[in-house]
Amino acid sequence: GNSVTQMEGPVTLSEEAFLTINCTYTATGYPSLFWYVQYPGEGLQLLLKATKADDKGSNKGFEATYRKETTSFHLEKGSVQVSDSAVYFCALIGSNFGNEKLTFGTGTRLTIIP
Amino acid sequence: NAGVTQTPKFQVLKTGQSMTLQCAQDMNHEYMSWYRQDPGMGLRLIHYSVGAGITDQGEVPNGYNVSRSTTEDFPLRLLSAAPSQTSVYFCASTDRDTDTQYFGPGTRLTVL
Repeated sequence: GNSVTQMEGPVTLSEEAFLTINCTYTATGYPSLFWYVQYPGEGLQLLLKATKADDKGSNKGFEATYRKETTSFHLEKGSVQVSDSAVYFCALIGSNFGNEKLTFGTGTRLTIIP
Repeated sequence: NAGVTQTPKFQVLKTGQSMTLQCAQDMNHEYMSWYRQDPGMGLRLIHYSVGAGITDQGEVPNGYNVSRSTTEDFPLRLLSAAPSQTSVYFCASTDRDTDTQYFGPGTRLTVL
């Protein structure tokens, strides 16, 4: 079945540091890949996505590139801010027709200190 | 456009009690789902529905029931609450054109 493995947390960085959160996946075919973010006390919201190999998703300064050869979708940001403190989830939807079920990683808690 | 709404935000139950978590969406999405979020385990799918009148089990369905009488509403019922069901519950609906899931704000449930 499908699975997502992401970097264990928690991760603590200073403001303006470079961020990488690793994510690798196992799936048959060509899944769509997502990063969701959960701010304290809230539900998850979509941060970015990529639907085919070599696509780059980007939003709010975050980027992730769909790498089929390494089955990875690492999240990066060049200069983090305190407001980026949240839990980040990598996820995929399988390429089977009608399969809308998201498979999530376990989440990585990010804390940015001023 | 309220998106996905959930009630209540917080709930405390005693073992053996029953209750219903409410979920509604106003985006006319056919696909809806319920997840539970536990520390270190990410989100796990409880039940899902691909349209009114159709429901199916997810990864952890035991102890929960769902029904889908309308496109808008997808309630989750706990039949006899157990401490193992202490968790945060999220409802979501999916835009099938973009594969984007929209999540409600969650219900934090404690079972004593």
